[in-house]
Amino acid sequence: EVQLLESGGDLVQPGGSLRLSCAASGFTFSNNAMSWVRQAPGKGLEWVSAITSSGESTYYADSVKGRFTISRDNSKNRLYLQMNSLRAEDTAVYYCAGGAEYWWGQGTLVTVSS
Amino acid sequence: DVVMTQSPLSLPVTLGQPASISCRSGQSLLHSDGNTYLSWFQQRPGQSPRRLIYKVSNRDSGVPDRFSGSGSGTDFTLKISRVEAEDVGVYYCMQGSHWPPKTFGQGTKVDLK
Repeated sequence: EVQLLESGGDLVQPGGSLRLSCAASGFTFSNNAMSWVRQAPGKGLEWVSAITSSGESTYYADSVKGRFTISRDNSKNRLYLQMNSLRAEDTAVYYCAGGAEYWWGQGTLVTVSS
Repeated sequence: DVVMTQSPLSLPVTLGQPASISCRSGQSLLHSDGNTYLSWFQQRPGQSPRRLIYKVSNRDSGVPDRFSGSGSGTDFTLKISRVEAEDVGVYYCMQGSHWPPKTFGQGTKVDLK
C-alpha cells in the first residue's frame, strides 16, 4: 500500500522558516517525480513545486520561487520542502504528491501569523 | 501560465441523476508528444484530493465506471452518470501539458439538492 506521510507543519511568524518532510513507502520512490501542492483554508488547490526522480531538476511556482527549495533523499525515501521568508499568504495545508499526482499524503498545516 | 476555468462552480445534484462539469483551458493542452495531460481530482470533505481521471479519459484504479472524462484541445468534461451520496465534494481539473506551473481549475462543489 502506498503511503505518503507529511510532517513539519507548524505556526511560524512572518519572515520565519520551516522545513516540511514527506516519508514515502509502498512504491519505488527513486523512480518517481514528486510534487508539493498546497491548499489555503477554504480555497482551491495550488501547485507549488516539483522535483524529478533523480533530484537533478526542480521547478517552482512564481509565488514561491527564491523562497522555497524542494529536495529529496532517495536513500531515505523522503521528500522535503524548505520554506524561507514565509508570508501570511503561505498559510495552507501542504500536500506531498507523487506518480503524476496519483498518490497524495494527508497534508500538513503551515500557519504563518504573528 | 495556462488558466483553467471550470463551470459551474456549484452543482446541486439529485441522487441517481447525471452530473457534468466543464473545464476549459486558456490554450490547447495537446502536448508535443501527442498526449493531452488533463486530469480530474475529487476532494471529499475533510479528505486529501484523489485523482479520478488522467490524460483526459483514463480512469484510475478503483474509480467507479460512473465517472468518465472526455474532451480535447481546450474543452474538457467530467461526467457522473448516476450521482451517489459518496460523490459529494469538490472536483478539480488540472493541466500538466505546459508546466511549470501545473495549474488547477477553481473547483466545482458538488452537493445534494
